[in-house]
Amino acid sequence: GQNIDQPTEMTATEGAIVQINCTYQTSGFNGLFWYQQHAGEAPTFLSYNVLDGLEEKGRFSSFLSRSKGYSYLLLKELQMKDSASYLCAVRAGHLNRDDKIIFGKGTRLHILP
Amino acid sequence: KAGVTQTPRYLIKTRGQQVTLSCSPISGHRSVSWYQQTPGQGLQFLFEYFSETQRNKGNFPGRFSGRQFSNSRSEMNVSTLELGDSALYLCASSYRVSGFNYGYTFGSGTRLTVV
Repeated sequence: GQNIDQPTEMTATEGAIVQINCTYQTSGFNGLFWYQQHAGEAPTFLSYNVLDGLEEKGRFSSFLSRSKGYSYLLLKELQMKDSASYLCAVRAGHLNRDDKIIFGKGTRLHILP
Repeated sequence: KAGVTQTPRYLIKTRGQQVTLSCSPISGHRSVSWYQQTPGQGLQFLFEYFSETQRNKGNFPGRFSGRQFSNSRSEMNVSTLELGDSALYLCASSYRVSGFNYGYTFGSGTRLTVV
């Protein structure tokens, strides 16, 4: 089966660092996405990891370990506008057929002043 | 470059009715995927269309159907609406190369309320 787990909610303080974890078990793996979704809006793309390791993009970094079925999103210097849901998604399936992008239920991040 | 356009933004329907939602992808994107988003279940995959053909399907009942036109615009239809169908319906467009989807971009969604 396909299973993606991430915490339901997290709270952090403005200016701090927060790490949102994601574990997955899927049939086939071809990459992992992180999306940000503000309430009432469309999800927007943050990062895409295919190989193991850390990808840094400004205040946001994403890490992947394929052998452990694990990823995290690291947000530094938190700002109030970072209050949103963060969605972990796995590109499952097999080359040249049935490419599926499967989403976790999302982590709702609350930033306190 | 215009984004993904979903219409209508909001919809209220009565149980038992049917509804059609529309999604116009980014120009040049020929793949459209549909998702249902609810607070309890998150984003759940409904189906994907590419070149007017359904390529993938999630685990939803047959009341949920879709189609894609030659201009890549897609519609999804839900018949015999139930209260549990109340959700945000999102579509995502992408371009497909060798079976993989790239440039996955979401529309703003259609908020469906069934009363």
